[in-house]
Amino acid sequence: EADIYQTPRYLVIGTGKKITLECSQTMGHDKMYWYQQDPGMELHLIHYSYGVNSTEKGDLSSESTVSRIRTEHFPLTLESARPSHTSQYLCASSETGSEKLFFGSGTQLSVL
Amino acid sequence: GQNIDQPTEMTATEGAIVQINCTYQTSGFNGLFWYQQHAGEAPTFLSYNVLDGLEEKGRFSSFLSRSKGYSYLLLKELQMKDSASYLCAVRPIDDYKLSFGAGTTVTVRA
Repeated sequence: EADIYQTPRYLVIGTGKKITLECSQTMGHDKMYWYQQDPGMELHLIHYSYGVNSTEKGDLSSESTVSRIRTEHFPLTLESARPSHTSQYLCASSETGSEKLFFGSGTQLSVL
Repeated sequence: GQNIDQPTEMTATEGAIVQINCTYQTSGFNGLFWYQQHAGEAPTFLSYNVLDGLEEKGRFSSFLSRSKGYSYLLLKELQMKDSASYLCAVRPIDDYKLSFGAGTTVTVRA
């Protein structure tokens, strides 16, 4: 049912590297979100966007940045990865007027 | 913000019923969601309650009491595939951003 894609699914990198996590949706949804989730913990919102050229920081402070140049694309970038960034990153989207979130499969990031 | 509390783990037998409770404290409320998340996978939508009462959808039902800040998800006729984490999430008034609980891991045993 959900047409929202994240790549890569798994990523292992060294400290100091710049990385971009990709998220794309083909549903034409205006709203997109990035959540961070550690094992056994709640999802924390780190970024969201309500439309093109609109991005906001979420409830959990994050050193990552996002951009929304096209409706369907909402990439997340870490300029210099650190071990503390090791986590699962989940992208989600929803359409205006709907409360239902559609999630991507997530990216499991490990920074050594 | 929202304080969302749900049990960490529950175990039940195949064919049984399990009830997962969720309590929340919020400055404003505009709906409560339940999501299912299998290990290593993305959460998937189960239910959405905005008014008090019981919503039934096949083997799964969700209940909401806004005055008590309380919801539960009822899983009936448990199957092995129901082993997963169940996430309670609250939508505040005038905001589209959901706040999630830590999830309840349900283990179904044969």
